[in-house]
Parts: sequence; C-alpha cells; structure tokens
Amino acid sequence: DTAVSQTPKYLVTQMGNDKSIKCEQNLGHDTMYWYKQDSKKFLKIMFSYNNKELIINETVPNRFSPKSPDKAHLNLHINSLELGDSAVYFCASSQDGRAPYNEQFFGPGTRLTVL
Amino acid sequence: GIQVEQSPPDLILQEGANSTLRCNFSDSVNNLQWFHQNPWGQLINLFYIPSGTKQNGRLSATTVATERYSLLYISSSQTTDSGVYFCACRILTGGGNKLTFGTGTQLKVEL
Repeated sequence: DTAVSQTPKYLVTQMGNDKSIKCEQNLGHDTMYWYKQDSKKFLKIMFSYNNKELIINETVPNRFSPKSPDKAHLNLHINSLELGDSAVYFCASSQDGRAPYNEQFFGPGTRLTVL
Repeated sequence: GIQVEQSPPDLILQEGANSTLRCNFSDSVNNLQWFHQNPWGQLINLFYIPSGTKQNGRLSATTVATERYSLLYISSSQTTDSGVYFCACRILTGGGNKLTFGTGTQLKVEL
C-alpha cells in the first residue's frame, strides 16, 4: 500500500551515461514533483507536473527531462551525467498543486552517485 | 523568493528531554509542512499546518501565520527522534505550487 514509490532506490553510474528514475503514486493525486537534495541536505524543487502538464521548471539544466505518461507517473531522465548530479532525488505528489492548501507526500528517494 | 530559516541548526538532547524547533518565513504562505528525515534518508510527513496548532503523540506544532513563524515541539524525546527536521513553505501568491525548504535542524538524541 505504498503511496509514492520510486525506482531504483540506489543508482551508481559513470560520468557521461544516461539514466532514468521512475516514480509512481497511488493516491489519485493530480500533481507530481521532483526535488533534489544535495550533499548538504538542502532540498530544492526541480519540476512539477499537473495532470501530465509541466507547470514548474525551476532553472534545471536541459540534460534533465521529466516525462509524465499519465497523472500517476512522473519519470526523470538525465542525459550526459556529471559529477555534480550526485544527489538524492525525491518524487512527491499532492492532490491539486494549483489549488491552495495542498499537502505534499514524498517518496523514499533515489540516491544517485556519479563516478 | 520566500526565505525559510530554521533554528537551531544543530541540537543534542538527552533521552527524555523536551525541545522546540523554530521556523521563520519571509512571506505569507498557504502551506507549511514539517518533515522528519530519518537516518535512512526517508522524508516523513509530521504536520501539515498552514495555521493553528496540531498534536500527534509526543509531537505538536503551532503556526502563527500573521507573525510568519512555526514551532515544532518534541516532548520526552527518544533516540528514534534523531535525524533532520525540515520546515517547508508554499508562498501564498505567485511562486507556483512548490515547497521551499529550510536548511533543517539536525537533532541527535542520546541515551
């Protein structure tokens, strides 16, 4: 009965590779998000989708491309990985991010290590 | 954009002690959440509290939206309370629906 799930949990890869992280929510929410937590534990929004439509793109390099095949899934594809991409990536969802007073629920995170 | 500041940055408690964590924010908000990131990295929702007071077991939280601060109270702390506590806010007007996180309070509870 996992609410927000992510795969994989850990990802170790070489510089220059392309990788994807998948996220799924079974809460029936319309809005999904990607956040990045850096090595100093600072969390920052990257993207937000509402019902498959991109509504936030927060100055993220265009090597990062989110894709939402349906409102229950939001995947993150990263091209040409760099050392600085090493971080923990969290997926989150909320009922309707365009409306006020929306609680966000977070997945378990994916720890990406670029060597 | 909105600034979210948390204090103290670090806190060490003896088991059984009480503590208060503070979150100050620089703009009006329509969402404020408290999270606990446990030592395994999971972000656990503690409270959704844009205003008012809520209690859940040994934890309680109060947000005074007009004065732009929120407090998280931990009573009778246990070693399992260790980890990082984050406050996150969503701005009332503009800024989209993103949460802006504070830098966290690192809590260690010792026996």
